[in-house]
Amino acid sequence: DSGVTQTPKHLITATGQRVTLRCSPRSGDLSVYWYQQSLDQGLQFLIQYYNGEERAKGNILERFSAQQFPDLHSELNLSSLELGDSALYFCASSVVAGGVNEQFFGPGTRLTVL
Amino acid sequence: KNEVEQSPQNLTAQEGEFITINCSYSVGISALHWLQQHPGGGIVSLFMLSSGKKKHGRLIATINIQEKHSSLHITASHPRDSAVYICAVRATNKLIFGTGTLLAVQP
Repeated sequence: DSGVTQTPKHLITATGQRVTLRCSPRSGDLSVYWYQQSLDQGLQFLIQYYNGEERAKGNILERFSAQQFPDLHSELNLSSLELGDSALYFCASSVVAGGVNEQFFGPGTRLTVL
Repeated sequence: KNEVEQSPQNLTAQEGEFITINCSYSVGISALHWLQQHPGGGIVSLFMLSSGKKKHGRLIATINIQEKHSSLHITASHPRDSAVYICAVRATNKLIFGTGTLLAVQP
């Protein structure tokens, strides 16, 4: 158990819908990262937050957005869902924002768009 | 060409064999991670390296910064080592992932 929690574990929804994925980092970790793992693209970095502020952006679509709240939990919002958004979404947390630091991964949310 | 390349893509070994998985990268990095992903999907961080060599139990990871190459070795492999092993490099505040190596260790 990494100490990072994600809810829900599974989510099934329809095209065009909007969903919210939630992540709670390890106690004391200020940085949260979101990743998408799909069958055709593998693991990709989406976005990073540090202490409530956006720190780095990767291959995140404009239909997706994220935020980190004062209690440090983070939410990833996916809207106008398409079949291709079906994937495993992981969040990870670390103590610091950058440099050489280890990331701890949550168990993931499996999103299925029908 | 991917910025992070792993080889082999698939590997089948007999229990007890010595296993090596390779990772080459083409970008400047501050660290390299080796991750393990089991069939259930969860990801575990095995190592984080910025130089040299690290050992944890039967796992050894090495990195050569000049050659932009890292290896993950598993000694005395066991069926419970069966998983996908993923190399990821840290470049400018984000992780770039390799496509993974699917390892199957047969009893």
